[in-house]
Parts: sequence; structure tokens; C-alpha cells
Amino acid sequence: GQQVMQIPQYQHVQEGEDFTTYCNSSTTLSNIQWYKQRPGGHPVFLIQLVKSGEVKKQKRLTFQFGEAKKNSSLHITATQTTDVGTYFCAGHRVSNYQLIWGAGTKLIIKP
Amino acid sequence: DVKVTQSSRYLVKRTGEKVFLECVQDMDHENMFWYRQDPGLGLRLIYFSYDVKMKEKGDIPEGYSVSREKKERFSLILESASTNQTSMYLCASSLWASRQAPYEQYFGPGTRLTVT
Repeated sequence: GQQVMQIPQYQHVQEGEDFTTYCNSSTTLSNIQWYKQRPGGHPVFLIQLVKSGEVKKQKRLTFQFGEAKKNSSLHITATQTTDVGTYFCAGHRVSNYQLIWGAGTKLIIKP
Repeated sequence: DVKVTQSSRYLVKRTGEKVFLECVQDMDHENMFWYRQDPGLGLRLIYFSYDVKMKEKGDIPEGYSVSREKKERFSLILESASTNQTSMYLCASSLWASRQAPYEQYFGPGTRLTVT
């Protein structure tokens, strides 16, 4: 079964508000990747984190990998309509090469 | 740019039919994957292949088989389609991954399969 829990499942924000999604794994991950899926589209790779405690930024997006390499977060500052979509985390198990996917967080911008 | 193509965007099949979903990538990637995506469940791995003629079961292989006769092509086969296989099917590819240097996956546009 799924071993990476991602919350929340949905988040409604006003444009300009911040957004955060969290991923927690029951086991240590060798790395974590983040993907974005626009409505009607397919997942597109955003970033990969490998080191314990790593923080990376892409413009308004901040990605963190926990010290124990079991959790990660994506924070978007001042959301824009172009941020709409579903954000997935996916981690590689230490024991093999399979990616384990979170269920995704759907970002919805309130009109 | 990496391009991953899938044979159909939409497919409607009847229960019991044999269904073939084709995926082709043009970047000489070693790894290829088949996922299904259902609301609230994220992406679940059906099968993956790390080389020609090699395959590994993912988390939900029951009811599916795969074929990889050429490096660029990975086929998913539903031997006898059932209604619970109605889903979005996504193919992906990546370079060979080591634990120290995993690579991102590139996805095709998906095939929405409906089994009636």
C-alpha cells in the first residue's frame, strides 16, 4: 500500500495567499522528487532533493527535505493562477529504485 | 526535449476484451514505467522495465502484463479487461537510476481507458 502520506488532499486559497503541502513517509527515503500536474495534463518534474535537511528554491516555490529524510514540504508564496494544479511528492525507497508517490494536493484558486 | 507518446488519449473497450496500450520514448532512456492514476490514490506503479525484455512488477500488477521488445517501446496489456480497470494510464521513462543519482521521470500524455 501507499507509504507516502501527502496532506492536504485539497487546498483552496485566494490568489496571493500562500500554499503548503506536506509529505510523510513511514520509511527513510533516499531522495524525494516533486511533480506538478496541470488540469488535464500529465505530471511534470519540478525538483529533486537528496540531502538531509536540504532546502531548495525556485522563484516563489520552496522545497524542504527533513533531517530524517522521512518528510518533505512544498511552500508556494503569493499564489498565482498559473500555480493551479495538483502537486505530487514521490520518494525513492532506500532499498530499491521504485518511486513511491503521495496522493497529491490539489491547489484551487478561489475566484 | 524528451518526448513520450502514448498510442491513444481515449479508449473505450468492452469487458473481456484484450487491450493494448503502447508507449514510445525518443530519448534512449533505459527505464520505462506504467502507472494508473485514480482520484485520491495518486499514481500507482503497475510494471516497470529497466532494459529490453526485462520487467519488474510494481504495486498493482494483477490483471496486467507488459512487453518490451525494443528499448524505445513499452506496452501494457490487459488480457481480459474489467470495469475496475477503468482509469487513466500514464507511461513514463527515465535514465538509468542508481541510489546515488536517481533521475526524474518524463511522462506521456496519458490514456483514459473506459471499460464498459
